[in-house]
Parts: sequence; C-alpha cells; structure tokens
Amino acid sequence: NAGVTQTPKFQVLKTGQSMTLQCAQDMNHEYMSWYRQDPGMGLRLIHYSVGAGITDQGEVPNGYNVSRSTTEDFPLRLLSAAPSQTSVYFCASSYGTGRRNDVAFFGQGTRLTVV
Amino acid sequence: AQSVSQHNHHVILSEAASLELGCNYSYGGTVNLFWYVQYPGQHLQLLLKYFSGDPLVKGIKGFEAEFIKSKFSFNLRKPSVQWSDTAEYFCAVLFSGGGKLIFGQGTELSVKP
Repeated sequence: NAGVTQTPKFQVLKTGQSMTLQCAQDMNHEYMSWYRQDPGMGLRLIHYSVGAGITDQGEVPNGYNVSRSTTEDFPLRLLSAAPSQTSVYFCASSYGTGRRNDVAFFGQGTRLTVV
Repeated sequence: AQSVSQHNHHVILSEAASLELGCNYSYGGTVNLFWYVQYPGQHLQLLLKYFSGDPLVKGIKGFEAEFIKSKFSFNLRKPSVQWSDTAEYFCAVLFSGGGKLIFGQGTELSVKP
C-alpha cells in the first residue's frame, strides 16, 4: 500500500513550457485534489475531483488542467508555465464523504521552479 | 465563500511554554475539522481530527484541539512545547456538500531551546 505517490519530486521549467505532474493513489479513494503551497498563503486548492470523470475548479485554477480517467490517477497539467507557478504542489486523496475516519492523505510534494 | 482563517502567521515560543493556535472557519453547516503539521522539508501529516462527539479531541505528540461550534473555531493547544515541535501548522476544514478540503494560511511555530 503505497498511499499517494507524486512524481516528479523536483522540476525546473522554462517559461512557456508545458508539463504534467503525476499523482496516483492505491486506496480506492474517490476524492482527489491538487494544492499549491506558497509562503504565507497556506495550501490553496487548484482543482479537485469527486470521482472518475468528474473534476471541478478550486480557488486558483487558472493555468492548470486536470482530468480523471481512472479512480487511481489525477494528473495536473501546466499548459504554458509561468514564473508565478513556481511553488510546491501537493496531491491529496480521501474518501470525500465526511464519514468518520475520512482523512486526506498527501503525497510528498513536487517542488516546481519556472525560470 | 468557504474559508478558513488562522490568526497567527508566526509564533515564537521558548521550550515548556504553552501553545494555542487559533483557527476559524466560515460556514454554518456540518464540517469536519483537522490540524496538519508540516516539519521542515516534509509533507503534511495529520495531527488530529474532529468529526463529531466530544468537542475536545486529542492528537499525537500531546496536541489537543477544541471545537466550539458557536464560534466556528477549532483551536490547537499544547501545554508544553518542545524544540521538536518547530514546524508549520495548518488548520483544514472539510465542508459538506462537495467534499472540498480548505486550508488556512498556516502558522509557523518556532520553539527556542
């Protein structure tokens, strides 16, 4: 049981490049989400998904795309990287039901630098 | 809009001092409440959670939190901090009707030995 796996751990991009951050979970969680963490701003929700085929925008969705073709995977795509997207990105998953013991598990994070 | 607010951005304490970090959230419906901790260079780890029942919940490493529904608050406490508690602490709220987990801005705790 690996939990939530994010790749890569570090990435440097040039402005305008595109890339995909990978996130996979093996806990059969319906709910998955992407956050970015910036100093003094906490974790801000980018996009989330309540199940395969269903995605929705969070607080800061601009410049990012997501899809959820399977329960296990929830990739985050940067369409045209900008320096403002330099951040640490976390993927999380949970059952999303609010039931007891429904806790979000986080990946190790991806530190992205856009130059 | 659903939001979570943490009152303190940076707290500096000496070892053995008591700690209380404030957290308030907007929204009057059913919520589940969490505190996460992030040690330097690491990912988030769950410190404690509240779903229902006793509003005083105990977590790992001697932390506890009290849910006060009338104040929409979920403050984190520890009677005596240690240098190893130096970390960033995040309050998070799982809002009903969609499952969105929203975080506060975080509080950086520095404990001086």
